[in-house]
Amino acid sequence: IVMTQTPLSLIATLGQPAAISCRSSQSLVHPDGNTYLSWYHQRPGQPPRLLIFEISKGMKGVPDRITGSGAGTDFTLTIDRVEAEDVGLYYCMQAAEFPLTFGGGTMVEIK
Amino acid sequence: QVRLLQSGAEVKKPGASVRVSCQTSGYIFNTYGLTWVRQAPGQGLEWMGWVAYNGDTKYAQKFQGRVTMTTDTSTGTGYMELLSLTFDDTAVYYCTRVSKSKCFDRWGQGTAVTVSS
Repeated sequence: IVMTQTPLSLIATLGQPAAISCRSSQSLVHPDGNTYLSWYHQRPGQPPRLLIFEISKGMKGVPDRITGSGAGTDFTLTIDRVEAEDVGLYYCMQAAEFPLTFGGGTMVEIK
Repeated sequence: QVRLLQSGAEVKKPGASVRVSCQTSGYIFNTYGLTWVRQAPGQGLEWMGWVAYNGDTKYAQKFQGRVTMTTDTSTGTGYMELLSLTFDDTAVYYCTRVSKSKCFDRWGQGTAVTVSS
């Protein structure tokens, strides 16, 4: 399954919303009925950190202003009010079938 | 507190092999899977394979025959061995814990592997 993220990079404004799109080449609905789409954030020099799993479930400790949505093949990560700590790379990942695959990443910078 | 502590950086020559370890703590080891992800310099994330909680393995086709992932349940440690290294294997290698929701909820700090002649 090919995961395509857009945009490749975005320059966000502090306090304003930002959104990243992730599209899969086929449906991510697993035979068990769940959709295994997750989002990760990676700051420079750090390992990635899980933000969102199963499309829209927030990992403990992730601020409420970061949310996930979507279904089937189209998914979105939304940051309601961008803060300085949100800079870095964002990746979506599918675990609906092997091999697990990541999107190419979106670089978020602050204006 | 869940922790995944990986072994230190490695420098290898082409054709050699490398073994990276991932010492876990803070949870019941054999109730979660472990997976390995690598990141070449300036590149994105690449899934290499995983070891399920019961020891079953699944590898990306790209690494089939060249990678072995194992676990030692007595010490809560995972291992990834990669054979026949080439310059393209230069990357940071991460171990991660696989949750019941098939996401990677905890990551090791990463192990830099450099392949250089």
